[in-house]
Amino acid sequence: DAGVTQSPTHLIKTRGQQVTLRCSPISGHKSVSWYQQVLGQGPQFIFQYYEKEERGRGNFPDRFSARQFPNYSSELNVNALLLGDSALYLCASSNRDGTYGYTFGSGTRLTVV
Amino acid sequence: QKEVEQDPGPLSVPEGAIVSLNCTYSNSAFQYFMWYRQYSRKGPELLMYTYSSGNKEDGRFTAQVDKSSKYISLFIRDSQPSDSATYLCAMSYPGNTGKLIFGQGTTLQVKP
Repeated sequence: DAGVTQSPTHLIKTRGQQVTLRCSPISGHKSVSWYQQVLGQGPQFIFQYYEKEERGRGNFPDRFSARQFPNYSSELNVNALLLGDSALYLCASSNRDGTYGYTFGSGTRLTVV
Repeated sequence: QKEVEQDPGPLSVPEGAIVSLNCTYSNSAFQYFMWYRQYSRKGPELLMYTYSSGNKEDGRFTAQVDKSSKYISLFIRDSQPSDSATYLCAMSYPGNTGKLIFGQGTTLQVKP
């Protein structure tokens, strides 16, 4: 079985640009969450989507947005990139309430220059 | 004060040692407790998941939860160089909209 897949694996963008990150959950998982992990810190929650609806939002500015598609894959969009947005962006999938934990992908490493 | 506190280390031990990793938390609503292992430049890998006080064992790993003290631990027996990684504790509570609260992570090095 394929795990959580994320693309691209690495990305370099310039300040002010926009970026779209993609995630495919484990088959059968309908919930996708996004996290930002800055070097040396634990992941910080950005969004959770379940059945194409936003179910939770972390303390991130409106420049961050996401959506979930009918096949449960998801995209995270970040507009007007700042140097501080440089981080590892992680996607996690789970059953509805994470009863059996959350499975993470390998992440997309975003560098803003 | 952070909701979840975890000593970042680094922690260096000889091969074969018993490793103890710990987190404290402030939110008594937390009911689900997880330990993740993260290798450099990789995503976190779920090691242990518990939802009650007490111990849970899986191979060389034992997770311990003490809700009265708001304290969780992960023990690694017979540590191996391949256990060298960052260990993250994470917590959530029912109806938490999928939000996991992570500790900062503890970097562990097991020396041959």
